[in-house]
Formats: sequence, C-alpha cells, structure tokens
Amino acid sequence: AQTVTQSQPEMSVQEAETVTLSCTYDTSESDYYLFWYKQPPSRQMILVIRQEAYKQQNATENRFSVNFQKAAKSFSLKISDSQLGDAAMYFCAYRSARGGADGLTFGKGTHLIIQP
Amino acid sequence: DAMVIQNPRYQVTQFGKPVTLSCSQTLNHNVMYWYQQKSSQAPKLLFHYYDKDFNNEADTPDNFQSRRPNTSFCFLDIRSPGLGDAAMYLCATSRGNRNTEAFFGQGTRLTVV
Repeated sequence: AQTVTQSQPEMSVQEAETVTLSCTYDTSESDYYLFWYKQPPSRQMILVIRQEAYKQQNATENRFSVNFQKAAKSFSLKISDSQLGDAAMYFCAYRSARGGADGLTFGKGTHLIIQP
Repeated sequence: DAMVIQNPRYQVTQFGKPVTLSCSQTLNHNVMYWYQQKSSQAPKLLFHYYDKDFNNEADTPDNFQSRRPNTSFCFLDIRSPGLGDAAMYLCATSRGNRNTEAFFGQGTRLTVV
C-alpha cells in the first residue's frame, strides 16, 4: 500500500516571501501521479499542481513549483511571492497510474499561514 | 459555478440513526468518490463508482454504503452512525482517464450526538 507523509503540520510565511512544503511518499510502483491540493477554510479542495512520475522535469504553475525527487520519493511544493489568498490547508496526494479511476492517497496536510 | 455539490453542508444526526449524505455533479464525470476526513487526519477513500460499478475499499466499515442512481448523483448512507463517524465527508469526481484530476465538493460536516 502507498503512504504519503507530510511532516509539517503548520507553516508560517511572510507575505511576498517564499515557502516550501515537504512531502514524502512510499510506493513500489514506478508509474504514478503526485498532486498538491489546496483546501481553503470552508471551501472545496482544488488542484494546485500535478506531476507525472515518468516526467523528470519539475511541474510549474505560475508561482507554484515542485521539486520532484523520484529516487528519494520526495515531492515538495514551493510557493513564491506568497499572497494572503494562499492561506489554506495543503494536501499532498498520490495516485497510481494503473487505472484512471483509482482514488487518491493523501497526507495529513500542512496548514499554511500567511503573515501580512 | 459549483460543479460538485454536496448537501447538506452540515448534518447533525443521533447515535444509531441512519443518515444519508448527498452529492451531485454537473461535470458528467464517470467516477464519483467518497472520502472521510477526520480532524487533523488525511482524507481517506471509502469507495468509488466507475459508472455503475461499485468499488469498496478493503477497510471501509460495513456501516457505510453508497448508491449511484444515475451519472449525476451519488449518496453516502451510514446505517448506524457512531460517535467515531463524526467527520467531514468529501465527494469528488473524475473522468477516470489516466491523466485526470479529481474535482471536490465543499464537503458535509457530520456531527453525531
């Protein structure tokens, strides 16, 4: 079975600064997807960024980028130029690529606080 | 516009009294999922439907059932809620293709009294 570990229950960053959220995972599979989801207070979870395991290039979406280290099974999220709207719970998630319907395995989440 | 809608947002039920949570989608996605999210814990997959095919996770308690009468709707039934079933319940959908993302509803917060 796959596991996802987020070792930082809470992180705090000053507005406009950069913050990195950590995630490690364990799997015996070679083909899979990794995701970062954002869950603002009282709102639905939304996808921030996605990485296919077979791609060596790290995914980037505007101010969000990942550092994917497949051998180390590490998948960190970097948020540049942090904004107040980035405050949320961030979940790292894993999905097997065996079948498209497989559900997500989540970490416990990191609560990100943005200091004005 | 909301694409995955969960009703109600908050549900209070009595210990042992059956309760049903509802999820609907406007995305016409093949797959619908139910996750349980307890406080300070990772969301945990309970089961999913691929069209009409039901897929139960091995460790999902028998107390939890699901129905999907059509593409748009999916229900989570808890036959005899216990105090340990108090949680946020998240519904999600996806196309079911290899390279696909999940879309989530806002969740239903269940309280058992």
